[in-house]
Amino acid sequence: DAKTTQPTSMDCAEGRAANLPCNHSTISGNEYVYWYRQIHSQGPQYIIHGLKNNETNEMASLIITEDRKSSTLILPHATLRDTAVYYCIVRAYSGGGADGLTFGKGTHLIIQP
Amino acid sequence: DTEVTQTPKHLVMGMTNKKSLKCEQHMGHRAMYWYKQKAKKPPELMFVYSYEKLSINESVPSRFSPECPNSSLLNLHLHALQPEDSALYLCASSLTGVHEQFFGPGTRLTVL
Repeated sequence: DAKTTQPTSMDCAEGRAANLPCNHSTISGNEYVYWYRQIHSQGPQYIIHGLKNNETNEMASLIITEDRKSSTLILPHATLRDTAVYYCIVRAYSGGGADGLTFGKGTHLIIQP
Repeated sequence: DTEVTQTPKHLVMGMTNKKSLKCEQHMGHRAMYWYKQKAKKPPELMFVYSYEKLSINESVPSRFSPECPNSSLLNLHLHALQPEDSALYLCASSLTGVHEQFFGPGTRLTVL
């Protein structure tokens, strides 16, 4: 799986949009971009994933650049409960099988009141 | 039921003890996973089960022994652990293929 690079930490004001960048310049054509987050002392939580197109769900939006070498996770209206470590993970399509996730160091997002 | 449960929440064991961690899901997922997370580090994959068969072992020491007795249950048997094995052990499940993984809350293990 391709390597990802994320900032170590970021701050965002409550109520503002939080934009978390991820660089994955060696991504292959069959690799998806996944985002998970881990709130302190809890298990990781899936947020969103995409291949080429931008994606949106009830939690967040994922913007993938046209060359697929980077992406941005957007939390539109951050709340204090969004304080967590956010992991950007690139993962190949495994067909009918199952592959584990390779977590990088992630970005520690701190939402300020 | 859309959650993964793990028991116990906390476990303290000596280096000569034998204990087991349990993970359960009733979402019909046929892939289940064990991860280990040391303090202030990201989770690391240990094992993957697909259709109740072990498909990935990330060179985990034999003192960790996984077992998948049925499609809903995943165990991790522990024997002769070392203090450096103290960590949060996370279980996850998913549909096979490109699908999100659902994680349990973890078992915090302390080896004395």
